[in-house]
Amino acid sequence: ETGVTQSPTHLIKTRGQQVTLRCSSQSGHNTVSWYQQALGQGPQFIFQYYREEENGRGNFPPRFSGLQFPNYSSELNVNALELDDSALYLCASSFPSGGANVLTFGAGSRLTVL
Amino acid sequence: QQQVKQSPQSLIVQKGGISIINCAYENTAFDYFPWYQQFPGKGPALLIAIRPDVSEKKEGRFTISFNKSAKQFSLHIMDSQPGDSATYFCAASEANNLFFGTGTRLTVIP
Repeated sequence: ETGVTQSPTHLIKTRGQQVTLRCSSQSGHNTVSWYQQALGQGPQFIFQYYREEENGRGNFPPRFSGLQFPNYSSELNVNALELDDSALYLCASSFPSGGANVLTFGAGSRLTVL
Repeated sequence: QQQVKQSPQSLIVQKGGISIINCAYENTAFDYFPWYQQFPGKGPALLIAIRPDVSEKKEGRFTISFNKSAKQFSLHIMDSQPGDSATYFCAASEANNLFFGTGTRLTVIP
């Protein structure tokens, strides 16, 4: 059974650019959630996808968007990057029908915005 | 606004001692309270969790104590080991959203 894998592990962007982060969910999991973890802070919920539809969203602006694919993998897109977007972005998958319970997290993608 | 308040921010414990981390919340709609353990360079991993109809849950050396009336819950790590050194997050769940505390960095000294 494979866990949650995320790519890339590290990346550097400049302010105003766009970024796409990718996530492969754990085998058998059909729900993907994305979290932003600033340095020294707890993860903050960005949004969740279930059956390729957004299924809940935290307090993040529309320039944070996502996709879920038929194989349950997911992308997080961030447009017009700001310095405060620098953080560890965590993807988590869960089963069977969504919800925040029993999340399995990936190791994250560390984004630095200069 | 921090939905889940966690303390202390850091904790140093001698090997064999008891580590205690406390969390408090206000939202009575929360229905699931997990604790996550995070090592450097890794994502958080579920350690133990409790639902509000239970006052205590124990798994090995880890125990959650839950006080519904006070809206507080805590993690106790018995016989703390150097391998327990990590950052611990409490969390509370409502629907599809999991709210995390700010984390406690635990260091267990050999």
